[in-house]
Amino acid sequence: DAGVTQSPTHLIKTRGQQVTLRCSPISGHKSVSWYQQVLGQGPQFIFQYYEKEERGRGNFPDRFSARQFPNYSSELNVNALLLGDSALYLCASSFRTSTDTQYFGPGTRLTVL
Amino acid sequence: AQTVTQSQPEMSVQEAETVTLSCTYDTSESNYYLFWYKQPPSRQMILVIRQEAYKQQNATENRFSVNFQKAAKSFSLKISDSQLGDTAMYFCAFLPPGGGADGLTFGKGTHLIIQP
Repeated sequence: DAGVTQSPTHLIKTRGQQVTLRCSPISGHKSVSWYQQVLGQGPQFIFQYYEKEERGRGNFPDRFSARQFPNYSSELNVNALLLGDSALYLCASSFRTSTDTQYFGPGTRLTVL
Repeated sequence: AQTVTQSQPEMSVQEAETVTLSCTYDTSESNYYLFWYKQPPSRQMILVIRQEAYKQQNATENRFSVNFQKAAKSFSLKISDSQLGDTAMYFCAFLPPGGGADGLTFGKGTHLIIQP
């Protein structure tokens, strides 16, 4: 079975632009979580979606938004990009939410110039 | 809020040796879940092992085992017969019983280098 997939692999944007990152979960998984990993740090939780509803949100500004589609894939949107948004964005899927193990995708490397 | 601390930024051992990575955490919860993830240079975060706090038995997965000390809030990872492919960043992570609302809380990671 295919694992979690993310697109694109790399992305370069300039300050003030908007970006959309995409994630497809493992087949049968209904929950998707997004994490931001700044270089040299552990990932930080941004959002979790389950059955198309937001179930959790980390300490990120409103410039960050996400949604989940009927096929359980997900998009993460970041508006008004700042230099500090440069990071690896990781998507993780799990069967449900509360206690299920999260399996990660390869990530999208976002560079903001 | 939970915190996870990994006090060893980098460790280096010879191939075939045993190495132990440390992790401590702080929480007021009694039921929770702990994980070790491995992130090689390819960036993909790979699950190594999972421990449920309500289980007293330490989890094991082949060469990987944990020493879970609930009272001390300690969760160390032992890698036996280390291999070159074990070279990676290792992250300890905490999942509260609510799961989704808070997501995983990660430590800053330990860079493990296996020398030939």
